[in-house]
Amino acid sequence: DQQVKQNSPSLSVQEGRISILNCDYTNSMFDYFLWYKKYPAEGPTFLISISSIKDKNEDGRFTVFLNKSAKHLSLHIVPSQPGDSAVYFCAASETSTGTASKLTFGTGTRLQVTL
Amino acid sequence: GAVVSQHPSRVICKSGTSVKIECRSLDFQATTMFWYRQFPKQSLMLMATSNEGSKATYEQGVEKDKFLINHASLTLSTLTVTSAHPEDSSFYICSAPEFTDTQYFGPGTRLTVL
Repeated sequence: DQQVKQNSPSLSVQEGRISILNCDYTNSMFDYFLWYKKYPAEGPTFLISISSIKDKNEDGRFTVFLNKSAKHLSLHIVPSQPGDSAVYFCAASETSTGTASKLTFGTGTRLQVTL
Repeated sequence: GAVVSQHPSRVICKSGTSVKIECRSLDFQATTMFWYRQFPKQSLMLMATSNEGSKATYEQGVEKDKFLINHASLTLSTLTVTSAHPEDSSFYICSAPEFTDTQYFGPGTRLTVL
């Protein structure tokens, strides 16, 4: 049962344009969401996160939007740069357990930013 | 962000041998660390939660006697793959949360079992 889904396995965007990566989840107990960037044979690098009490969080070129009613979040990268080419994973957790929360990952979207 | 290291980055071993992978939080203490596994072109799957001072918690389908976890200190967790077989070949990654709920990942260990 895939609780976090990224339905687009790949995305190609031209340099300078906006990249929009989407993520859907099914578990209504998830209340904290993160985006990670990953290169092959490396660990994921944290990009940005959002708590369920917010609907938007922005950090430089990265903005995450959360729509709780639709159980949907998206990562916007603008402007996109060639160095952004990587696999992007969204992840979700339940922080209400009171202990450090394990992450449930989506299947990833491979972003390619072309010149 | 916080820094998590893993050692070794790559290991090749013969079938039947055991391999130990270390995960360290370099600039913060972590009472909990997580071990993940990633097969090629797949997502990261949580294997177990490593708890300092107590037993690890394993996810369903993960053999605790095969994947031994020891959280020896607030900055070190080890994963030992015992009696490794070729199907254990994978990319193993650890993570640790800093004081927030954000988890920081190590660089990963590529295990190849011949």
